[in-house]
Order: sequence, then structure tokens, then C-alpha cells
Amino acid sequence: SAVISQKPSRDICQRGTSLTIQCQVDSQVTMMFWYRQQPGQSLTLIATANQGSEATYESGFVIDKFPISRPNLTFSTLTVSNMSPEDSSIYLCSVEGGQANGELFFGEGSRLTVL
Amino acid sequence: QKEVEQDPGPLSVPEGAIVSLNCTYSNSAFQYFMWYRQYSRKGPELLMYTYSSGNKEDGRFTAQVDKSSKYISLFIRDSQPSDSATYLCAMSALTDKLIFGTGTRLQVFP
Repeated sequence: SAVISQKPSRDICQRGTSLTIQCQVDSQVTMMFWYRQQPGQSLTLIATANQGSEATYESGFVIDKFPISRPNLTFSTLTVSNMSPEDSSIYLCSVEGGQANGELFFGEGSRLTVL
Repeated sequence: QKEVEQDPGPLSVPEGAIVSLNCTYSNSAFQYFMWYRQYSRKGPELLMYTYSSGNKEDGRFTAQVDKSSKYISLFIRDSQPSDSATYLCAMSALTDKLIFGTGTRLQVFP
């Protein structure tokens, strides 16, 4: 299994500001995934981050709004830019692993509230 | 129509009850079916995994997949207060990304 640490665990932000979330994994992984979990909605994949290349964004998510860095095989950041109250959500970092095909390990999440 | 539908609950049951959690889906290409458990203020963790149709049992938990009906279930026997959490179903086709349900919040009271 993988141990994933996220910072911050929670934050309250002002409209129009940006916040960067950090994700650290205890082992080297090829792909890291960023998810959003909004109240009453499905866990939704934002983007896949590969080391050494641009992140791949899912439909509905764009790099200008959610820039991602992946400087090495154990670390990634997700920035939520120019925040609005609609960005209030839990953001989760995850990696593949385990024995089941497609099994994901998740961090504890970063709970953002935008005022 | 969402690809995966899951009743959000909340579902409240007494300790010792049998709990049934369900998801329906529309994509017949789905072959991998999972149940994740998410405690409050924690990330989801994999609870059960099934490939294709059939049943799988692990202790008090049983996962069922009925591909003909596009319906999956998770049964919890002798439920405990420690089972109180949100249960997310998730599924995927071969090499595709996981699609999650919205999660069902379960409360088991003593």
C-alpha cells in the first residue's frame, strides 16, 4: 500500500485568491491523480499527473484553473486558481497500487472553503 | 443519465442489522467493480473488489455483481457502529478510469 500525505488538510480562502495543495507519496509512482469531491456529487477526476510531462485534464477541467506540477516521482501539487465559492470542495490526491486492477490509494484530502 | 447511480442515503440501522448498499450503472463495458469506504474527514479506501459477475465474500462483507441487470450490491452482516461511513461504489472498463457513485452514508447506532 501507499501512504499519501496532503497539505493543507483544510483552509478557508477568499474569493479571487489561489491555493496550492501539496501531495507527497512514500514511494515512487508513475502517475498521480487529482480528484474533486463536492457535497452530494461523485468523486470526479480532475487530471492525471505524470512526471516529466504535462498533466492530462479531464473534460470540464482546464490547466489555467487547475495548474499541476509533478517535479519528481513522489510529489505533486494542484493549484486552484482565482477561486470562487463553487470551488469549495474536498480535493484528493491518489495513486494506483494494490492487487486489484485500477485500485487507488487516496490521501486524506484537502477541504477548501471559499468565501 | 449518470453512468453510475447510487442512493446517497443516509441509511440508519441498529447494530447487528444486515445492510444492503446498491448501485446501478449504464455502461455494459464495465468489468471491474469496487466498493470504497470513506470515514469522515478521511480519504476513501478500497473495501471490496470484484471482476465481472458473481459474488465475493470477505468476513462480514459480501459484494455481488449482476451484469445482466447492471446492478451491484454490498452486504454487511452483523453491522457495527465502526461500519458507520460513506460507501462509494466504483467501476471501470478495461484500462479506463474509475467512475464513482455519489456514495451512500451509513450510520449504525448501538
